[in-house]
Amino acid sequence: GENVGLHLPTLSVQEGDNSIINCAYSNSASDYFIWYKQESGKGPQFIIDIRSNMDKRQGQRVTVLLNKTVKHLSLQIAATQPGDSAVYFCADVTGGFKTIFGAGTRLFVKA
Amino acid sequence: NAGVMQNPRHLVRRRGQEARLRCSPMKGHSHVYWYRQLPEEGLKFMVYLQKENIIDESGMPKERFSAEFPKEGPSILRIQQVVRGDSAAYFCASSPPGQNTQYFGPGTRLTVL
Repeated sequence: GENVGLHLPTLSVQEGDNSIINCAYSNSASDYFIWYKQESGKGPQFIIDIRSNMDKRQGQRVTVLLNKTVKHLSLQIAATQPGDSAVYFCADVTGGFKTIFGAGTRLFVKA
Repeated sequence: NAGVMQNPRHLVRRRGQEARLRCSPMKGHSHVYWYRQLPEEGLKFMVYLQKENIIDESGMPKERFSAEFPKEGPSILRIQQVVRGDSAAYFCASSPPGQNTQYFGPGTRLTVL
């Protein structure tokens, strides 16, 4: 079936470095894609989204890139901070609401 | 403006008992979604409701699980005759009409003994 998956299950970066979290998807009918951050014991927190007709979107310290040719999505976090340590999920949305989550990448930020 | 609220935060049930999970959406949000998450996994969509209507329940097991979102009061996810495999974190999200972004609650962690 259609699914969203991640290349790297864990990522360890030094504080101040940039982080790149990758995601592969298979549903070419997705309307848009979302990155969520989930801290331990909490619900997912929206970070940034991108529509399927875009290839790049920037937020505060975060950039999402979408490559529809190879069905690849990435989240770039600039100047990673200890507070960025969490599990990051990519998700694709179809039909305006149906959100399919990937398995997640755990980001460790070393001080 | 309070966020999405879920209660209880932790729920312990014995096999065969019923579990009721409640979700109060954010103010002004009329769309509610329920997800289930196993440890170290992503969230799995279960059901999407609007006030008094189930819009999509394709992710919800046909047996023992039901959901409602009444005109007044919170949305309820009900699991009858729980089994150990129902142990998971259940998250609720809400969104306002006409917008796709879903805001998540803190979740209810269900443990079935």
